[in-house]
Amino acid sequence: DIQMIQSPSSLSASVGDRVTITCRASQGIRNSLAWYQQKPGKAPKLLLYAASRLESGVPSRFSGSGSGTDYTLTINSLQPEDFATYYCQQYYTTPQTFGGGTKVEIK
Amino acid sequence: QVTLRESGPVLLKPTQTLTLTCSFSGFSLSTREMCVSWIRQPPGKALEWLARIDWDDDKYYSTSLKTRLTISKDTSKSQVVLTMTNMDPVDTATYYCARIRGVDYYMDVWGKGTPVTVSS
Repeated sequence: DIQMIQSPSSLSASVGDRVTITCRASQGIRNSLAWYQQKPGKAPKLLLYAASRLESGVPSRFSGSGSGTDYTLTINSLQPEDFATYYCQQYYTTPQTFGGGTKVEIK
Repeated sequence: QVTLRESGPVLLKPTQTLTLTCSFSGFSLSTREMCVSWIRQPPGKALEWLARIDWDDDKYYSTSLKTRLTISKDTSKSQVVLTMTNMDPVDTATYYCARIRGVDYYMDVWGKGTPVTVSS
């Protein structure tokens, strides 16, 4: 199985900040990466797929990049509604696997 | 509009079998490249992928849980069923089903999840 390591596991940021979350795969996944946002008590929500493609309806302040084994989710100008936990998921191989999550908290 | 809804028992005893049903609308599992996955999340922990069933009835399972899992579909009822045998307290989690809309297996629409507690 491909292991997905997310960092950091948590971070504190202020409204308006730029936030970067990293996901590293244990082998190359050829951009087969999705990012999800999860708020407490809610189901995850798809933000991006194919490493950098924004899901319909997701604000453009969310962006993704990367290649090979290393990928990044960036949130530009953090908004109050962005405080949540973010997960990466690889779908290059089955079983699909998730990262351990990054909790974005208010500073 | 695509929706999914999970249903099943809230409380189970150790060694019992869990049966969860995902009822969905807005798409058909007989449509090429449609799939449904199950994912779980223990309290305060990360998401864990469990299983997937594809439009052509291909089935895939978590490596660590595959001996305990069975996934099936009833296309006419728009339902996917997941069974997990020999439940243990460590299986306590919220269980989600989610749709996959193409050959890239990311989940674009999720159900709200159903909590399952395993306790004697």
